[in-house]
Amino acid sequence: DGGITQSPKYLFRKEGQNVTLSCEQNLNHDAMYWYRQDPGQGLRLIYYSQIVNDFQKGDIAEGYSVSREKKESFPLTVTSAQKNPTAFYLCASRSPAHAGGFPGELFFGEGSRLTVL
Amino acid sequence: GQSLEQPSEVTAVEGAIVQINCTYQTSGFYGLSWYQQHDGGAPTFLSYNALDGLEETGRFSSFLSRSDSYGYLLLQELQMKDSASYFCAVSAESGGSYIPTFGRGTSLIVHP
Repeated sequence: DGGITQSPKYLFRKEGQNVTLSCEQNLNHDAMYWYRQDPGQGLRLIYYSQIVNDFQKGDIAEGYSVSREKKESFPLTVTSAQKNPTAFYLCASRSPAHAGGFPGELFFGEGSRLTVL
Repeated sequence: GQSLEQPSEVTAVEGAIVQINCTYQTSGFYGLSWYQQHDGGAPTFLSYNALDGLEETGRFSSFLSRSDSYGYLLLQELQMKDSASYFCAVSAESGGSYIPTFGRGTSLIVHP
């Protein structure tokens, strides 16, 4: 089945450590996004990528880094520079309009919940 | 930048109709989407409006007024399983990219 796979589902990190969250999709989508969600909050955009080897900062990119070496993969690294990393992280992709998708229709993975000890 | 406003919580009883409003401010507006998220789960896409008017999909309908920068999600014949958070999201175009920006979400509580 086509979809987006995020791993790990749960992750614990000590302060000062970098961690990388995996996001893989087999939907053949060009556009991919990373969002952060805090309790009772909406989704805030961290980074997005419209095409392989290109990505742009979102609203809260400080303390995060990404890469887009393959169309299928868009990993997010939470660095030690991120002062408050405990959150629920969601990866999403978007179907291009010419393929019948709506510009606003995102397909989400199941999320990764990061806790800093 | 973009900003969206929606109520933080709405309560209703089973079988009733509920409306969740969303007002937005943005440049490069392309469309308004709605998502549903159950506790601990991933958001799932419900609807999208690019033009003024009402879009109906089963028990759910979504409305958009571009001139008023306003939309709403209408849920009919409420069921207990509809208890969830609902997010409106504005899709804005910037440099050829479509960037969805989400509101803070509305928690819908459906009572028996």
